[in-house]
Amino acid sequence: GENVEQHPSTLSVQEGDSAVIKCTYSDSASNYFPWYKQELGKRPQLIIDIRSNVGEKKDQRIAVTLNKTAKHFSLHITETQPEDSAVYFCAASSRQGGSEKLVFGKGTKLTVNP
Amino acid sequence: DAGVTQSPTHLIKTRGQHVTLRCSPISGHKSVSWYQQVLGQGPQFIFQYYEKEERGRGNFPDRFSARQFPNYSSELNVNALLLGDSALYLCASSLSGGQGANVLTFGAGSRLTVL
Repeated sequence: GENVEQHPSTLSVQEGDSAVIKCTYSDSASNYFPWYKQELGKRPQLIIDIRSNVGEKKDQRIAVTLNKTAKHFSLHITETQPEDSAVYFCAASSRQGGSEKLVFGKGTKLTVNP
Repeated sequence: DAGVTQSPTHLIKTRGQHVTLRCSPISGHKSVSWYQQVLGQGPQFIFQYYEKEERGRGNFPDRFSARQFPNYSSELNVNALLLGDSALYLCASSLSGGQGANVLTFGAGSRLTVL
């Protein structure tokens, strides 16, 4: 089955700097890669996603890149702000019979220092 | 329009007891998925239901079961609770349940503590 590895597990940056989180996946059939942000005690919230027919997608300060050949994808946050501090999860879609589930990485705790 | 709603938000049980968690999807969404999130880990897939039928099941024991009702709401049941079942149980809804990589929207979760 699908396996998703996420690095680093913790990341500390200064306000205004960029942050990069990287994930690799194992199933070449995966075709959908969302990123979720989870603040302490709250629900995971989708911040950006990318499908396998696209190599890069950007939404304001957030961008995601996908390399299908190498089976890895990355989240880039520019001009970080303290409110970006949270745990970020990458995920990859995995088909199981008639369903389509998400397989998540273990998360990256991002701290943006003022 | 309400998002995904889950109840209860918090509950405490003792080993061996049974628990039922409830979820109402976003209006118009026909698929509900359940995930378990242990502290410090990413969510792990338990079940997916679509149009009241089970579409997929993760690597969880038979103590875990679920169902979906005609109004698309869902229940997750866990029998014979173990300490290791302590986790945040997340429900997510999506428009459909099949192929096409539909976007999942998560509820706030039910925090289960087993003593």
